[in-house]
Amino acid sequence: QQQVKQSPQSLIVQKGGISIINCAYENTAFDYFPWYQQFPGKGPALLIAIRPDVSEKKEGRFTISFNKSAKQFSLHIMDSQPGDSATYFCAASILNDKIIFGKGTRLHILP
Amino acid sequence: NAGVTQTPKFRILKIGQSMTLQCAQDMNHNYMYWYRQDPGMGLKLIYYSVGAGITDKGEVPNGYNVSRSTTEDFPLRLELAAPSQTSVYFCASSYQGASTGELFFGEGSRLTVL
Repeated sequence: QQQVKQSPQSLIVQKGGISIINCAYENTAFDYFPWYQQFPGKGPALLIAIRPDVSEKKEGRFTISFNKSAKQFSLHIMDSQPGDSATYFCAASILNDKIIFGKGTRLHILP
Repeated sequence: NAGVTQTPKFRILKIGQSMTLQCAQDMNHNYMYWYRQDPGMGLKLIYYSVGAGITDKGEVPNGYNVSRSTTEDFPLRLELAAPSQTSVYFCASSYQGASTGELFFGEGSRLTVL
């Protein structure tokens, strides 16, 4: 119940295309769903986050779609660029301040 | 702005040796965390702290110890290193806690146990 399942494990997208990464969870007590972006040799950094009281949040080319009934959320990267090539982690937090991460998606944008 | 600083960046240990990974933050954050990252496995929480003098176990605490004597520092101790502890270790801090705020990560410490 503490797991966050992320797919796909790796993704290759053409420049200008849409990158989509999906996550699913079981624990309905989760109340905060962030996405982190990690470049090689660096620590993860917060990209965008959403709470379950909204169905969508958009920041520039990055959008989170949230489906509370299905217990799923996804990251959409519009007009994907080579600079977006990184590893992306979805995550969920529970009330006692622990955060659970998915296993990550390695995204490669072809120039 | 230094943010979260981890030392060392790289270390090779022999089986059975001990060492301490250092983590310091200059943002006056109360919450601090240690994660390990293994290929294809995401980030696993080892230990965390909600303030000086308070620590608690995460998902994978066995083989590790922590202390939090000051707000700034959160060292991770490995006793009797084992090959299973070969990993990249990340320290993170947060002002409000993981469920309400952003985690700020260091650049990681890559540990190899041979």
